[in-house]
Formats: sequence, C-alpha cells, structure tokens
Amino acid sequence: NAGVTQTPKFQVLKTGQSMTLQCAQDMNHEYMSWYRQDPGMGLRLIHYSVGAGITDQGEVPNGYNVSRSTTEDFPLRLLSAAPSQTSVYFCASRPGRYNSPLHFGNGTRLTVT
Amino acid sequence: KQEVTQIPAALSVPEGENLVLNCSFTDSAIYNLQWFRQDPGKGLTSLLLIQSSQREQTSGRLNASLDKSSGRSTLYIAASQPGDSATYLCAVPFSGGGADGLTFGKGTHLIIQP
Repeated sequence: NAGVTQTPKFQVLKTGQSMTLQCAQDMNHEYMSWYRQDPGMGLRLIHYSVGAGITDQGEVPNGYNVSRSTTEDFPLRLLSAAPSQTSVYFCASRPGRYNSPLHFGNGTRLTVT
Repeated sequence: KQEVTQIPAALSVPEGENLVLNCSFTDSAIYNLQWFRQDPGKGLTSLLLIQSSQREQTSGRLNASLDKSSGRSTLYIAASQPGDSATYLCAVPFSGGGADGLTFGKGTHLIIQP
C-alpha cells in the first residue's frame, strides 16, 4: 500500500521556468490538498480538491495551478517559478468525511534560483 | 482567522521521562483537532485525531486531550524513548468557512536523550 506518492523528491528551477509536481494516492480518497512548508511560517494550504473535477483555492494560491481529472492524481503546476516559491511542498489526502486523519506524502523540496 | 500556537518550541529530555506538549487555538468552533509527527526530511504522520465531542484520545503511550472552551489541547507522551525524537505539530480546521484545510502550529521540536 503506497499511500500518497510525490515526485520528484528534489527539484532545482531557474526563475521563470515552469514545472509540475506530481501527487498520486491509492487509497481512493476524495479529498486531496497541497501545502507548502517554510521555516518560521509553518504549513500553509495552497489548493485543495474535494473530488474529481472540483478544485478550490487555499491560503496562498497565487502562482500555482491545479487540476483533478481523476480521483488518484492531483498535480500542482508552477506557471513561472519565482525565488519566493522555494519551499518544501506536501501533498495530503483523506476520505471525504471531515473527521478523518490527513495522510501526507514525503514532500518535494524545490529550489528556485 | 484561526491561529495555532505551540509551546514549547523545543524540548530536550532524558529517556524515560513523561512529557507534555501544548497547543492553543484562537477560535473554539472546531470540529476536530489533529496531532502529527514529522521526522526530518519526511512528511507528516497523523498520530491522533480528537473530534469536538471527545475530550481525549489514546494510542499506545500517547494521550491527547482537548478543551474546546479554553482553546487548548495537550499531547502527553509516557515513558519517552529516543525514537520519539521528532517535531510534533497540532492542527485545527480553518475557521469561518471558506477553504477546507488545516491551520497548523509551528511545532515542538522534541529530542529524547538516550
């Protein structure tokens, strides 16, 4: 049982480049989300999805796009990378019920130079 | 806006001690609170989820309590072991509707000395 799988584990981008962070879960969870974790700021919600075809913005959505074409996958796209997007990105999922624990992937460490 | 504070920010204790980590939140209208563990370079692992109707939850040597009216939760770790060394985070749902996600505290970095 793989749980939540994120790829790549590490990535270095130049300012202005675009890329997609991948997230897949094999638990048939309805809810998926993306967080970024920065020193001194804690974890902050970027985007989330409550089911295939449905996405919505979190606290810090600017500069990021998401889509949810299948239940399993929830990719995060950086449109034009900026140094301020240097961070560790976590994907998380849970069943649709609110009172269910959140399952996290191991993260993608992104550096933008 | 919901804010979550964790005290202390760091804690170092010898193996075998019982210890308490604290979490406070500003908006008591929550439907649950979660405690997570994060190991260096890894994602978060959910330890305990307390629903708003519950006052505590237990898993092995861990016991978490919730007092919604005072906006506080504690995580009690009994008979600590070096393997308990990690960062512990608490989180509550966003308040006021809107985004469906969690507001996290900045965590307590725990070191258990052998």
